[in-house]
Amino acid sequence: DTEVTQTPKHLVMGMTNKKSLKCEQHMGHRAMYWYKQKAKKPPELMFVYSYEKLSINESVPSRFSPECPNSSLLNLHLHALQPEDSALYLCASSQEGGQPNQPQHFGDGTRLSIL
Amino acid sequence: GENVEQHPSTLSVQEGDSAVIKCTYSDSASNYFPWYKQELGKRPQLIIDIRSNVGEKKDQRIAVTLNKTAKHFSLHITETQPEDSAVYFCAASRNTDKLIFGTGTRLQVFP
Repeated sequence: DTEVTQTPKHLVMGMTNKKSLKCEQHMGHRAMYWYKQKAKKPPELMFVYSYEKLSINESVPSRFSPECPNSSLLNLHLHALQPEDSALYLCASSQEGGQPNQPQHFGDGTRLSIL
Repeated sequence: GENVEQHPSTLSVQEGDSAVIKCTYSDSASNYFPWYKQELGKRPQLIIDIRSNVGEKKDQRIAVTLNKTAKHFSLHITETQPEDSAVYFCAASRNTDKLIFGTGTRLQVFP
């Protein structure tokens, strides 16, 4: 069983919709991540939160808006997405934010389709 | 910029044979090298990792070797089984939370 839980598992939305992806972990990890993964490609880092503060933004378009309400939760708010944003969105967590090179543990992802 | 090359892109082996996947990184300051296994439709799962102060690490049928001078690291799977079939990603990191992933290797193990 995965210890990083993502909801929903699948999401279909139009380009004008607003939706949110959710991620939760109860391992006491202090760093949380959002990745985007296209088919047959490796995960691409989008955002990193360390101790609930945004520490890395990989020049992601503003139509993706991350939020970390507390150390266990991570959201990704979506607005005005484009068809090319269709992908698997993965959340991950690691033990110590600010302590580099900690193993990252992934959730099962949300498969997002933009119509 | 930072780059990790991974070879081969596909690998087919007979059950019981060994499989080797190789990665080369560009950033000489990289010091952490995890390997992830991703089955179809599933999450990437960390299977083994190695840090730059170690040359080799083994966990049952899986081993990873690191050559810092050549900036190479490799995954070795012995006595392969059909359930080893998956896409394997190597990655490298240098004292940050950012992993640079390789392009992936699709391993197929035939019974």
